Amino acid sequence: DAMVIQNPRYQVTQFGKPVTLSCSQTLNHNVMYWYQQKSSQAPKLLFHYYDKDFNNEADTPDNFQSRRPNTSFCFLDIRSPGLGDAAMYLCATSRRGQGNEKLFFGSGTQLSVL
Amino acid sequence: QKEVEQNSGPLSVPEGAIASLNCTYSDRGSQSFFWYRQYSGKSPELIMFIYSNGDKEDGRFTAQLNKASQYVSLLIRDSQPSDSATYLCALLRGGGATNKLIFGTGTLLAVQP
Repeated sequence: DAMVIQNPRYQVTQFGKPVTLSCSQTLNHNVMYWYQQKSSQAPKLLFHYYDKDFNNEADTPDNFQSRRPNTSFCFLDIRSPGLGDAAMYLCATSRRGQGNEKLFFGSGTQLSVL
Repeated sequence: QKEVEQNSGPLSVPEGAIASLNCTYSDRGSQSFFWYRQYSGKSPELIMFIYSNGDKEDGRFTAQLNKASQYVSLLIRDSQPSDSATYLCALLRGGGATNKLIFGTGTLLAVQP
């Protein structure tokens, strides 16, 4: 089945230790998004790629970076995680340019920072 | 004013009843609206989308959109305990290369057996 896959499902890192979260998709969608969701809050968009074009949200901290080496994969790098970065990180994909756009989410990565 | 507003709940309904979830939005130019269901600790799952004024039905779910009142709702008929989850209302903002899905904080629905 075509899907959005996030690895790992749970990630524990230490304060200040860089961490990378990964997302892959078999939907051949041209847009990949990264959202951060903290407990009882709305998912918050960090950035997205439209094909190779990177679109950063104005309030996304510099500590968060992203890479999209090809259509299928996208990575979220947190350079120096702080305690406040503990959250669920959600990857989503969509097909833009062929009518109304709908987002489909992966299962998420729950990040803990010790 | 938040771009998408929802009552956080919890909304408690008995099994078999109709659950009514509501959402208002501030940008009158918004065109596309979505309802996602999110179980605790899981990712959002798309259950309904609506682009035109009026009602859209899919099984036990009906989405309603009133652009003049800037109001979107989701009705769940014959509610089941398995429907207990947080329901996120979202709209697609922007256009072309800058589309973004903006979420409300969600309404927690509890269906009592």
